[in-house]
Amino acid sequence: AQTVTQSQPEMSVQEAETVTLSCTYDTSESDYYLFWYKQPPSRQMILVIRQEAYKQQNATENRFSVNFQKAAKSFSLKISDSQLGDAAMYFCAYRSGLNYGGSQGNLIFGKGTKLSVKP
Amino acid sequence: DVKVTQSSRYLVKRTGEKVFLECVQDMDHENMFWYRQDPGLGLRLIYFSYDVKMKEKGDIPEGYSVSREKKERFSLILESASTNQTSMYLCASSIGGRVGETQYFGPGTRLLVL
Repeated sequence: AQTVTQSQPEMSVQEAETVTLSCTYDTSESDYYLFWYKQPPSRQMILVIRQEAYKQQNATENRFSVNFQKAAKSFSLKISDSQLGDAAMYFCAYRSGLNYGGSQGNLIFGKGTKLSVKP
Repeated sequence: DVKVTQSSRYLVKRTGEKVFLECVQDMDHENMFWYRQDPGLGLRLIYFSYDVKMKEKGDIPEGYSVSREKKERFSLILESASTNQTSMYLCASSIGGRVGETQYFGPGTRLLVL
């Protein structure tokens, strides 16, 4: 079974600086998808960034980028120029690339990293 | 924009009560999911549904049931609430039929069982 590990329960960053959140996963599959979700305090969980395992190029969304190391099974999230609004719980998630059906199609989440941003 | 709504943000119930949590999505998504979120445990899947009247168990289905009579609506039912079901419950939906599609989440229902 696949697992997702976020080894940093809490992180802190100064406003305008850069922070990297770690995520590792375990799978025997070669085709899969990885996600970072953000959950601000008392607000809805939203997708930050998505990576397809068959793509070597790291995904980027504005100030958010990932460092995807397939061989190492590592999927870290880098937040540049951190803003106060980036303070949130961040969840890393894995999804099998197998054809949709049964539990293979579901997201497997890490336990989350709580990011604080200091003004 | 995809909108996923949940019937209540906060709910307080007594042990043994039957509890209904409702989720509605407005984007004609085929797939819907119920998770519970607990500190230090992340999100755990309770049940999911690929289509109307279709449902499958997730990782922690015990003590829960679900109903999907209409495509846009997915209900989570606690037949007899217990204190260990005090948690945050998140509903999500996704398009379906495509591998790797994004799940869109509702705002969550924080349930307290006394």
